[in-house]
Amino acid sequence: NAGVTQTPKFQVLKTGQSMTLQCAQDMNHNSMYWYRQDPGMGLRLIYYSASEGTTDKGEVPNGYNVSRLNKREFSLRLESAAPSQTSVYFCASSEGQGALVYEQYFGPGTRLTVT
Amino acid sequence: AQKVTQAQTEISVVEKEDVTLDCVYETRDTTYYLFWYKQPPSGELVFLIRRNSFDEQNEISGRYSWNFQKSTSSFNFTITASQVVDSAVYFCALSDLTDSWGKLQFGAGTQVVVTP
Repeated sequence: NAGVTQTPKFQVLKTGQSMTLQCAQDMNHNSMYWYRQDPGMGLRLIYYSASEGTTDKGEVPNGYNVSRLNKREFSLRLESAAPSQTSVYFCASSEGQGALVYEQYFGPGTRLTVT
Repeated sequence: AQKVTQAQTEISVVEKEDVTLDCVYETRDTTYYLFWYKQPPSGELVFLIRRNSFDEQNEISGRYSWNFQKSTSSFNFTITASQVVDSAVYFCALSDLTDSWGKLQFGAGTQVVVTP
């Protein structure tokens, strides 16, 4: 099992360019998440998908869009990249939540630099 | 508002010393979950523990132990007899019923540096 995979691992963009970060999980998890990590700030939730067919905004959604393509895949799109979006992006998945909240498993991250 | 506070930015210890990482959380809910994650220099996030608010038993896993105190809203993490491989950033996180059910709110993290 690969767990959670992310592509690409590194990316450099110019201001105004667009790109899509891909994420896939093979654990048959219901819920998927996108976080960004900036120095000294921990991880902040950008968007999440509680189940296939649903997506919701997290703490810092501005400048991003997401697509839950199917149960396995959850992509994050930057339509017009800005230097403030320079960060490390993590995708995560979990069994989901109902009466219980389960731990999340994280991908290896994508280091994005916007110049 | 910051719901998870990890006041220690960095802790440096010599190998074999014990190190305790503090985590203070804030929630108005009686139902919530707390987590600890480890981020070694390679960058991946490794799940360490999940605890729900109704289980106040302390937990030990090898050299790792966790002390959950609802009275002080703290969920502290101790590494006993630290090793160089314990060098990492450690994050505490909260998922509470009202604001973040199923989602994680992370603290800023504590960098642990273990020197030989």
